[in-house]
Amino acid sequence: QKEVEQDPGPLSVPEGAIVSLNCTYSNSAFQYFMWYRQYSRKGPELLMYTYSSGNKEDGRFTAQVDKSSKYISLFIRDSQPSDSATYLCAFLRGYNKLIFGAGTRLAVHP
Amino acid sequence: DGGITQSPKYLFRKEGQNVTLSCEQNLNHDAMYWYRQDPGQGLRLIYYSQIVNDFQKGDIAEGYSVSREKKESFPLTVTSAQKNPTAFYLCASCCGGPAWETQYFGPGTRLLVL
Repeated sequence: QKEVEQDPGPLSVPEGAIVSLNCTYSNSAFQYFMWYRQYSRKGPELLMYTYSSGNKEDGRFTAQVDKSSKYISLFIRDSQPSDSATYLCAFLRGYNKLIFGAGTRLAVHP
Repeated sequence: DGGITQSPKYLFRKEGQNVTLSCEQNLNHDAMYWYRQDPGQGLRLIYYSQIVNDFQKGDIAEGYSVSREKKESFPLTVTSAQKNPTAFYLCASCCGGPAWETQYFGPGTRLLVL
């Protein structure tokens, strides 16, 4: 069983839709839960992070963590074409070692 | 203008050739990392260094080597022993203070085999 499972997509939605991206994990020792956004042929950039179960909101983005189910989600409200990118979940294991999901490719069309 | 730079943007390797990818940061970060990204597989850790003159193998170190002679620089050499080197290589750095921080990534180098 992989430590992290993430559906690679692609996910195609119309502009203005609510997008839900998800990851499951198997390692209870993961401490921080992160979402990175990666535009084509660029390095990933941190979008959001949290270290506890529950919701964290930042503008149109909401990160949700359910430690009991080992499940994390990223919701994007009022999606825009500029949100088209690959979204990677990431988890902290040990001292600053990150474990990444495979990434979900999102396309938001006008 | 602080950040992480990687060069070159594209690199071509011939069979049996060693090539070196450059990574420089001016963020005063102690730790630096090298990842490999293949389609559908996310990022996998090759090597990391938490301090100058020290580095550790990551999950897929075979066929790669690194050095950390300066805090700002962490070059990666892809040796001829790496049989499938075609990938997108990402360098990251982290952490200049006591509080937890995430890693910051460079723009990447795409390596292609001729």
